[in-house]
Amino acid sequence: QLLLVQSGAEVKKPGASVKLSCKTSGYSFMDFYMHWIRQAPGQGLEWMGIIKPRAGRTTYAQRFQGRVTMAWDTSTSTIFMELISLKSDDTAVYFCAREAGGFSDWGQGSLVIVSS
Amino acid sequence: QAFLAQPPSVSKDLGQTATLTCTGSADNVGSRGAAWLQQHQGHPPKLLSSTDNNRPSGISERFLASRSGNTASLTIIRLLPEDEADYYCSTWDTSLSAWVFGGGTKLTVL
Repeated sequence: QLLLVQSGAEVKKPGASVKLSCKTSGYSFMDFYMHWIRQAPGQGLEWMGIIKPRAGRTTYAQRFQGRVTMAWDTSTSTIFMELISLKSDDTAVYFCAREAGGFSDWGQGSLVIVSS
Repeated sequence: QAFLAQPPSVSKDLGQTATLTCTGSADNVGSRGAAWLQQHQGHPPKLLSSTDNNRPSGISERFLASRSGNTASLTIIRLLPEDEADYYCSTWDTSLSAWVFGGGTKLTVL
C-alpha cells in the first residue's frame, strides 16, 4: 500500500524557519519524482519544488529560491522541506506529492501557522 | 495569480453534465496537456486524470479529460452530490521550468 505520511502541525513566529518531513512507503522511492505543494487558507495550490532522487537533484520554484531547501533520505524513503525567514503569508497547508503522470499521490498535509 | 485560467465557479443540476476548462499557452497545456485534481474541503487533492488524459485506477469513468490546443477540459457526466468539490488543473511549463496550477473551479451540484 502506497503511503505518504507527513509530519505534524507547526506554529512559528515570523522570521523563524520550519522543517517538514514526508515519509513514503509502498513503492520504489528512487524511481519517482516528489514535490512539495502548498495551499494557503481558502486559496489554490502553489508548487514549491521537485526532488529527483535518482538524479540527485532538486529544483525550486523561482519565488522560493533562497528560502527553501529540499532534501531526502534514501535509507528511510523520506523527503524534507525547510523554509526559512517565515512570513505571515507562509501560513498554509504544505503537501508532499508523488509524480506519476501528474500529482498522483498526496500526503495528508502539514499545517504551518506563522504568527507573532 | 494562477498561470492557468479556470472559471472560479460552475453550477449544474444533479444528473447533468459539467465541463470545466483550463486555458494555458503553448508552453504548458498546448505542449504538455494538463492533469486534473479534485479536492474536497479539508482533504488533500486527488488525481482524476493524468497529463495524457488517462484516469488512474479507481477513478470513475464519469470523469473524461480532453485537450484542444491550449485548452484542457474535464467533463463530468451524470453529476452526483459527491462531485461537489474544487477542481484544479496542473501541468509543467517549459518556459518557466516549473509546475503550474489553475486557480481552481468550485463545482456546485444543485
